[in-house]
Amino acid sequence: AQSVTQLGSHVSVSEGALVLLRCNYSSSVPPYLFWYVQYPNQGLQLLLKYTSAATLVKGINGFEAEFKKSETSFHLTKPSAHMSDAAEYFCAVSRVDYKLSFGAGTTVTVRA
Amino acid sequence: DAGVIQSPRHEVTEMGQEVTLRCKPISGHDYLFWYRQTMMRGLELLIYFNNNVPIDDSGMPEDRFSAKMPNASFSTLKIQPSEPRDSAVYFCASSPALSTPRETQYFGPGTRLLVL
Repeated sequence: AQSVTQLGSHVSVSEGALVLLRCNYSSSVPPYLFWYVQYPNQGLQLLLKYTSAATLVKGINGFEAEFKKSETSFHLTKPSAHMSDAAEYFCAVSRVDYKLSFGAGTTVTVRA
Repeated sequence: DAGVIQSPRHEVTEMGQEVTLRCKPISGHDYLFWYRQTMMRGLELLIYFNNNVPIDDSGMPEDRFSAKMPNASFSTLKIQPSEPRDSAVYFCASSPALSTPRETQYFGPGTRLLVL
């Protein structure tokens, strides 16, 4: 079965510091991996997705993620956190039946 | 493009009442998904449609839940009778033709349901 595990339910960073959100997947086939962001009281918005074209994927708002098959990971990073990055972030894998399987989510708070 | 539209945004009802949630997908999208988000269970897929036909409803929790898609631009999720444990945020998402699993799903703003 394809699934994702997000390490750490909550991350707190200082404004201007590196944001690192961890996601590991389990899949018996090449995975299609996604990062979504959910701002308070809003729906999910796609940040970026891995579709096997390139292992380093750049997304919106300065985020990027690197697919590492040897580590079965797809960690999300942003070099310099901004107050507007405070949100909940979800890693997801698309299964062969096209269903998205989401991780539990990581809430990011940004300290001034 | 207006994106996925959901109504109402908030719903408060009493146990035993019927609740109907509505969704208008992005025009031209062939797939429509209903998700439920709770603190305990996270994001769960309830059901999805392809070209208005239900494809997989294995995530629907019980017979009190039903979903329809009478045409390409409208879907409903109904709970009858509602129970307090149904309190959650319900999201609708749509996607263009899923030729591969890499297609993006576009989410609506959600309906926050509280059953008293």
